Amino acid sequence: QKEVEQNSGPLSVPEGAIASLNCTYSDRGSQSFFWYRQYSGKSPELIMFIYSNGDKEDGRFTAQLNKASQYVSLLIRDSQPSDSATYLCAYGGATNKLIFGTGTLLAVQP
Amino acid sequence: DAGVIQSPRHEVTEMGQEVTLRCKPISGHNSLFWYRQTMMRGLELLIYFNNNVPIDDSGMPEDRFSAKMPNASFSTLKIQPSEPRDSAVYFCASSLGRVQGGYTFGSGTRLTVV
Repeated sequence: QKEVEQNSGPLSVPEGAIASLNCTYSDRGSQSFFWYRQYSGKSPELIMFIYSNGDKEDGRFTAQLNKASQYVSLLIRDSQPSDSATYLCAYGGATNKLIFGTGTLLAVQP
Repeated sequence: DAGVIQSPRHEVTEMGQEVTLRCKPISGHNSLFWYRQTMMRGLELLIYFNNNVPIDDSGMPEDRFSAKMPNASFSTLKIQPSEPRDSAVYFCASSLGRVQGGYTFGSGTRLTVV
């Protein structure tokens, strides 16, 4: 079993819709969870992090964490074509290192 | 702040040659990470340093790979000898303290071994 599981996609949504990206992880000791966005040919950039169960909102982005189910998600409201990218889920434990999933490709159709 | 600086941006080399990738972390960051990204395997952590000391090198694929951090502002990842299967994008990232704040990635080095 991979440490972080993500559907590779592509996930296609129309402009203005809500995009829902999901991630499951295997390490119950995980303490912090991150969503990175990576445009084609570019480096990953941090867009959200969450430590506690529940929701965390930042603008059009909402991260949701359920530690009991080992599940974290990212909702993007009012999706824009500029949101088209690969979204990487990652978790961190007691050490400094982050373990990444392979990412979900999101395509927002104008 | 100039961010994490990696060089070169692109490297094409012949099989068997030595390759050295370079990284300058963000000033003040005390943790540095080397990742490799391929389509098949995604982002894989190769090694990370804390306060210039290697903490976890369990991701280094084999003895052909080595990494050093002689001071707080510079790190190298060396592959000797290089093989075609080493072709990937290599990212360096840095962070301040614990992982809670996430990493800042450099622009990456695209390595092609022919």
